[in-house]
Amino acid sequence: GDSVTQTEGQVALSEEDFLTIHCNYSASGYPTLFWYVQYPGEGPQLLFRASRDKEKGSSRGFEATYDKGTTSFHLRKASVQESDSAVYYCALDDTNAYKVIFGKGTHLHVLP
Amino acid sequence: GGIITQTPKFLIGQEGQKLTLKCQQNFNHDTMYWYRQDSGKGLRLIYYSITENDLQKGDLSEGYDASREKKSSFSLTVTSAQKNEMAVFLCASSMRGRFAEQFFGPGTRLTVL
Repeated sequence: GDSVTQTEGQVALSEEDFLTIHCNYSASGYPTLFWYVQYPGEGPQLLFRASRDKEKGSSRGFEATYDKGTTSFHLRKASVQESDSAVYYCALDDTNAYKVIFGKGTHLHVLP
Repeated sequence: GGIITQTPKFLIGQEGQKLTLKCQQNFNHDTMYWYRQDSGKGLRLIYYSITENDLQKGDLSEGYDASREKKSSFSLTVTSAQKNEMAVFLCASSMRGRFAEQFFGPGTRLTVL
């Protein structure tokens, strides 16, 4: 079945560091790919999405490019801030059902 | 804009007890979901409902029942709570179809003594 694999566990950076969280997927066709962010005490919220090869999604300085060739949708930000500390989830929609498959999440800690 | 309300916010139960979690949404969305969130394991789908009167099992449905009473509400029952179980249960809703964004509630934190 469809699946998503992302950088697991915790990532610790200092403010103004460059961020990359890797996300690779396995699915047929062109699934919609998502990045969600979850702040402490809240439910996840959509950061952005993309549905076509080479399409770039972006929001709040974060971006990712849909790459069908490498089946990837890596999250990047040029200069992180302490307020970016959160859990980030990569996800895709299951084309055979009305559901979304989430990766295991990456906990980003940004130190001041 | 809309909102998803989950009750209760905190739920403490005893081993073997049947426990019910409730979710309400006012987005007028067709599809609703229940996820379980454990540290290090991400979001695991328990049940979802494509439309009113529909129920679909997710990857983690064993030990749970669900009920879509009406379009705006979706309940989850833990049929027999397990001792030392601790997790956050998240409810979400979305429009039907691909590309659809899921909107999440704040979660219910379950502790079983």
